[in-house]
Amino acid sequence: GAVVSQHPSWVICKSGTSVKIECRSLDFQATTMFWYRQFPKQSLMLMATSNEGSKATYEQGVEKDKFLINHASLTLSTLTVTSAHPEDSSFYICSARDTGVTEAFFGQGTRLTVV
Amino acid sequence: DAKTTQPPSMDCAEGRAANLPCNHSTISGNEYVYWYRQIHSQGPQYIIHGLKNNETNEMASLIITEDRKSSTLILPHATLRDTAVYYCIAGNQFYFGTGTSLTVIP
Repeated sequence: GAVVSQHPSWVICKSGTSVKIECRSLDFQATTMFWYRQFPKQSLMLMATSNEGSKATYEQGVEKDKFLINHASLTLSTLTVTSAHPEDSSFYICSARDTGVTEAFFGQGTRLTVV
Repeated sequence: DAKTTQPPSMDCAEGRAANLPCNHSTISGNEYVYWYRQIHSQGPQYIIHGLKNNETNEMASLIITEDRKSSTLILPHATLRDTAVYYCIAGNQFYFGTGTSLTVIP
């Protein structure tokens, strides 16, 4: 089946630093990728959608200068949380979909804690 | 994407069928219905999807009403490992609603 790998699984960083999360499709081409964040006991909130080689489309209320998304290849997308603060602590999840395929597959998520 | 409405929680006895409903009355003609589930602290797992016809795979069955305004996910023989939050998505942008927390009881 389609596998999406996210790295790291968890990360702790100091307030004010930047953190990069990687999302890789292992056995298919991820022409579209989605990034989500999830707070405890809440549902997944879509942050942005990106197509390979294009700029990401951010959802309303998501700061594009704070959450930098790069989708430069068909197998890799990255989310960089810049100048992280404790309120950015959350569970970040990516998903990927191939062209001509309707369903998306999800990574295992990254737990970010900002101290 | 169409807004989806699901009951917040359900219980099911182990070994019995779990029927999870989803209302998506504003779904458009070309929008698929997808079901995912999320076990605590993991990424969502794809279960099944469909457009108009009923679908079945090794995990579950998906029943979509003729007017496509609602659907039901059926887990034919629920096990304890099926305890999770189940999300119904109607559309192609993958917006998540609040989901149904299914608890399978021994």
